[in-house]
Amino acid sequence: RKEVEQDPGPFNVPEGATVAFNCTYSNSASQSFFWYRQDCRKEPKLLMSVYSSGNEDGRFTAQLNRASQYISLLIRDSKLSDSATYLCVVNSGSQGNLIFGKGTKLSVKP
Amino acid sequence: DTEVTQTPKHLVMGMTNKKSLKCEQHMGHRAMYWYKQKAKKPPELMFVYSYEKLSINESVPSRFSPECPNSSLLNLHLHALQPEDSALYLCASSQEFEGFSNTGELFFGEGSRLTVL
Repeated sequence: RKEVEQDPGPFNVPEGATVAFNCTYSNSASQSFFWYRQDCRKEPKLLMSVYSSGNEDGRFTAQLNRASQYISLLIRDSKLSDSATYLCVVNSGSQGNLIFGKGTKLSVKP
Repeated sequence: DTEVTQTPKHLVMGMTNKKSLKCEQHMGHRAMYWYKQKAKKPPELMFVYSYEKLSINESVPSRFSPECPNSSLLNLHLHALQPEDSALYLCASSQEFEGFSNTGELFFGEGSRLTVL
């Protein structure tokens, strides 16, 4: 089982749609979880950290399920500018290295 | 604009050349990283420096040689590279390497796009 797995997509959705991405991780000792966003030919940028209680930032909601070792990202009311690749990032437990998932590509169409 | 600056943005080199990639941050971060990213793949960790000391080398071939002259600078020296080494090389920094329970945010530079002929 890969350390961090994501559905690669692409997800093609119309503007205004709600879209959800899922990610699973294999190391039960992982403590830190993040979603990064990477635009085409640009560097990754932190979108949001993921906390045990779940957290929301505007149209974005992140959830963590430790028992199932699963993280999700929900985007409501999609905008054209949300088109990007979304990378699930998990630290590898005691060593602290951040492991990147392969990313899920989102295309929001008019 | 990113607060991690990388130079050059683009580099084309032959297999016998020696070149260097440079990275600079002035956020007072104590950890700096080199990542390699191929097209349609996630970034792959190469090296981590913590407090100017090499903490992690992810079994990177010796033709890649990192150097951290001070807490703000990180270099990657390149020698005798292969065409398969062509990729985007991303530098990143974070406040600390240990203790990702803080923000854990990695700040990436825009990358140096390397082509090896």
